Amino acid sequence: EPEVTQTPSHQVTQMGQEVILRCVPISNHLYFYWYRQILGQKVEFLVSFYNNEISEKSEIFDDQFSVERPDGSNFTLKIRSTKLEDSAMYFCASSVRAGGMPGANVLTFGAGSRLTVL
Amino acid sequence: AQKVTQAQTEISVVEKEDVTLDCVYETRDTTYYLFWYKQPPSGELVFLIRRNSFDEQNEISGRYSWNFQKSTSSFNFTITASQVVDSAVYFCALSEARIVQGAQKLVFGQGTRLTINP
Repeated sequence: EPEVTQTPSHQVTQMGQEVILRCVPISNHLYFYWYRQILGQKVEFLVSFYNNEISEKSEIFDDQFSVERPDGSNFTLKIRSTKLEDSAMYFCASSVRAGGMPGANVLTFGAGSRLTVL
Repeated sequence: AQKVTQAQTEISVVEKEDVTLDCVYETRDTTYYLFWYKQPPSGELVFLIRRNSFDEQNEISGRYSWNFQKSTSSFNFTITASQVVDSAVYFCALSEARIVQGAQKLVFGQGTRLTINP
């Protein structure tokens, strides 16, 4: 079964360092997302990406964050200067368009990248 | 604003018992979608079901069933004859129908940690 793959599975970094989390979405999917889950808390939306641009972002997704689809397969999340509060599990997801029904897309999530900022 | 509440933080039952996970949502939209995702110990988020706001029929899939009641804004999930493998964190999520297609934002509840003891 097709899956979303994420690397690395776990990254430890020092505060202030740049981090890039990588994702390979399912090949025929058109929409790409990043969500995060701080330990023990709910999963929160960060950003959605479609047609090579951000379609929506949350208040969490400030200037320290950026996303890119550098080639036809990878989708990356960059945190420019990490803070302690960026420690979380970051989930990449992708979806096809559900028959033209906005909001109905079923997201397929990756296994997550755990980021620990020291 | 949209909100999803899963009041049960943790549930622990003995194998073969039935268990119901509660989900209550808030939205001002008339068209929306509700989802359940499972997060096993391995960490990934696994899609279980999607329901649109116009379809109030209950759904059964094997030992899983879902009860959608628009009048009480609830979308509860029941596992019949629970098994140890059902142990996971279960998330309820809400997505509104967007006029601008491509933007998919899931609002998650806090999750319910379900432990099935042998």
